[in-house]
This record gives sequence, C-alpha cells and structure tokens, in this order.
Amino acid sequence: DAKTTQPPSMDCAEGRAANLPCNHSTISGNEYVYWYRQIHSQGPQYIIHGLKNNETNEMASLIITEDRKSSTLILPHATLRDTAVYYCIVGLAGGTSYGKLTFGQGTILTVHP
Amino acid sequence: NAGVTQTPKFRVLKTGQSMTLLCAQDMNHEYMYWYRQDPGMGLRLIHYSVGEGTTAKGEVPDGYNVSRLKKQNFLLGLESAAPSQTSVYFCATSRKGGKETQYFGPGTRLLVL
Repeated sequence: DAKTTQPPSMDCAEGRAANLPCNHSTISGNEYVYWYRQIHSQGPQYIIHGLKNNETNEMASLIITEDRKSSTLILPHATLRDTAVYYCIVGLAGGTSYGKLTFGQGTILTVHP
Repeated sequence: NAGVTQTPKFRVLKTGQSMTLLCAQDMNHEYMYWYRQDPGMGLRLIHYSVGEGTTAKGEVPDGYNVSRLKKQNFLLGLESAAPSQTSVYFCATSRKGGKETQYFGPGTRLLVL
C-alpha cells in the first residue's frame, strides 16, 4: 500500500472551508484514495473516496491532482462538529487487499468559533 | 437498524484474565474486522473475516483469537490479558472486500492492570 503524508494539525474558522492536504507520491495506478474521520472517542466514519476524478458527496469534496500524487479533502462550510482526526488512506480497490484499511497518524482538524 | 454494536463498552481486567469482546452487525455484511487503537495512534488491524466460518490474521494478531460462527457476529478473545493489550478496540464491517466502505462500531475500552 502506498504511504501517505498529512500535516499533524490544522485550524479552521467555523463557516469557512477546510482544506486538508494529503501526499501520496508512491500511489499506483489502481489504488484509490480514501478519507475517514474520527471524532473524539468514536469509531472512524467514512467520508469519501476516489480514483482519478474529483468526487463530491453530501459531506465533502475530494480533489485529486492530475498526477495523482496528492489530494485535498474539502469541507465546504466547516462546523464545530467537524473537529476530528482526518485520515487519508491509499489502497487497492477497497482500502487495501482484503479490505484492510491502513491508518496513519492523520490530521487533527480543529474548527473554532 | 442498529448497524454495528460492540459489547461491552468498557472493561477492566487483571493481568492473566480472559475475556471475549462481541461485535454484532445487522447489515448483512460479509466482511468483519477487529482493530485496536492505542493513544495517539491510528488503528491497527488485529484479525478479519471474509465470511461466516472464516478468519485471518491482520498486522497485530498475537495474543488474540477470533471466531465467526454466525455471519452477524465476530468475537475477539483474549486468553491471558496483558497490560500491553490496554487499548480501544473497534469492530468494523463491509459489504465485501474491494472498494467497499467500512462501518465502525462505537468501540470497547479495555484496561488491563
């Protein structure tokens, strides 16, 4: 599985867009980019995933660069409830082989009033 | 629907004691997983199952056993608990492997004294 690099922490003002970067320079052509988040003490929650094209759902947008070596998760209007650890995970169709998700340290996003 | 539930929510054990953690799902998912999360760390896969009656080792299986006798249940056993097994344990399920979203339970906090 390709390794990912994320900043350890970021801040965002409530109501503004939160842009969380992720580097995955060793990603292979058939690996997906997944984003999960973990709100304090809870189980991780799926946000979005993509392969090549940009993706959008009700929670967020995922922008993947053309060379696929990096991506950005965008929360368009961050709220206090978006304060969480955000994990960028790269793996073969399904997290990784057998569906295993390899979690790194993630980015602690703090949304402040 | 309850989704993914875990029993118990919290437990204190003495070194050498045994216990079983229960994960139950009502989503009819084929794949189930057990992860552990230590303070300040991402999740690490202990064991997983790709279907009823099957189990396989993840990245940190030592000291744990699992069973999947029924599709909806995935049991994690600690035969002789050690302080190093103090952690938060999360169960997850997915419809199948491949690019399938994983759904996580609320976690079980285990303290081994």
